[in-house]
Amino acid sequence: AQSVTQLGSHVSVSEGALVLLRCNYSSSVPPYLFWYVQYPNQGLQLLLKYTSAATLVKGINGFEAEFKKSETSFHLTKPSAHMSDAAEYFCAVSDLRVGETSGSRLTFGEGTQLTVNP
Amino acid sequence: KAGVTQTPRYLIKTRGQQVTLSCSPISGHRSVSWYQQTPGQGLQFLFEYFSETQRNKGNFPGRFSGRQFSNSRSEMNVSTLELGDSALYLCASSSVGYNSPLHFGNGTRLTVT
Repeated sequence: AQSVTQLGSHVSVSEGALVLLRCNYSSSVPPYLFWYVQYPNQGLQLLLKYTSAATLVKGINGFEAEFKKSETSFHLTKPSAHMSDAAEYFCAVSDLRVGETSGSRLTFGEGTQLTVNP
Repeated sequence: KAGVTQTPRYLIKTRGQQVTLSCSPISGHRSVSWYQQTPGQGLQFLFEYFSETQRNKGNFPGRFSGRQFSNSRSEMNVSTLELGDSALYLCASSSVGYNSPLHFGNGTRLTVT
């Protein structure tokens, strides 16, 4: 089974500062990786996905992530934080099992709560 | 296009009861997955339905079951509720295609007392 580790359960940045949320994965096959964001009392919203087409993936709201196979990492960045970015962020890997044909089984990291200070 | 709709948003049940949660996927999406989110265990995959058939299943006891109807709407049932079943239950739909991204609803918050 695949696994995901998010380093730092809480990250705090100032408005306008760089956002860096770390994600490392473990996968026995080429991974499909995702970043989701969750605002309070809401479901998860897809920020971006990596499906092997390009190592630098651009997502919504100015976020991007770089896939580094040698480091088994898929860190999420945003050059300038905005107050509206405060939320919980989840990294996920598609956890395809033997005999399965879809990628709906995602293994999620434990999440990183991002706080943006004015 | 309307998003994934989950009803109800909040539920309070007593230990030992059963509960049914409903999910309407995005129009045209035939795959519906269910996830449980708790502070202790995080997000965990329950099961996936596609064309009215359970396609994949997570590591949950048989008290957790689901079904999918011909219009792709899905229901999840939990019988003999336990305190530990208190969680946010999230439904996600996706289109056909390997690793199509999941689109999540806002969830049903279940509290078991």
